[in-house]
Amino acid sequence: GAVVSQHPSRVICKSGTSVKIECRSLDFQATTMFWYRQFPKQSLMLMATSNEGSKATYEQGVEKDKFLINHASLTLSTLTVTSAHPEDSSFYICSPTLAGVPDTQYFGPGTRLTVL
Amino acid sequence: AQSVTQLGSHVSVSEGALVLLRCNYSSSVPPYLFWYVQYPNQGLQLLLKYTTGATLVKGINGFEAEFKKSETSFHLTKPSAHMSDAAEYFCAVIPGNRDDKIIFGKGTRLHILP
Repeated sequence: GAVVSQHPSRVICKSGTSVKIECRSLDFQATTMFWYRQFPKQSLMLMATSNEGSKATYEQGVEKDKFLINHASLTLSTLTVTSAHPEDSSFYICSPTLAGVPDTQYFGPGTRLTVL
Repeated sequence: AQSVTQLGSHVSVSEGALVLLRCNYSSSVPPYLFWYVQYPNQGLQLLLKYTTGATLVKGINGFEAEFKKSETSFHLTKPSAHMSDAAEYFCAVIPGNRDDKIIFGKGTRLHILP
């Protein structure tokens, strides 16, 4: 399978600060990037979908001004949690894929965000 | 709406016993179906997938699943459980309309009893 990296793997921050999470697809060009959030003992919930060079499409209930997604290149996407609060503490997982080839969806190792 | 249902949020089996994790889906047309495994604080690892062709799909670590259209099911099995199989398992579907959004089930925690 493809190699996907996320950085950082864990981050602890104070309430009100912003945190940037990077996702890199190391051996293929991801035309589409999915970002998921997973709360403890729950399933993955899709937050947003972004296509390289375009604005992200957010799922209902996800604040686009709070979760800023940048997909500037085919190998890098970032998720910035702005003005983080304790309720944003979660496991964030990116998933790069090739548009139109849905069974090529790969998943990053995840980033554990803890907001104090 | 498309959905995925995993029966049983927790399943316990003895080491060496058969593993059966159930998954049913709803889709108006044949979907793509997946099983993923997640170990604590890690991302998802693909176990196996069904897209087209043979309905019995073999995956990694001795797991397999069978797509049964008549039952809208894609149950995951392994003949003999190993302690290292203890993890969270997610069934997932990409609906037949191919909008590329993968829909996950709620997950089943597999416990292996010594």
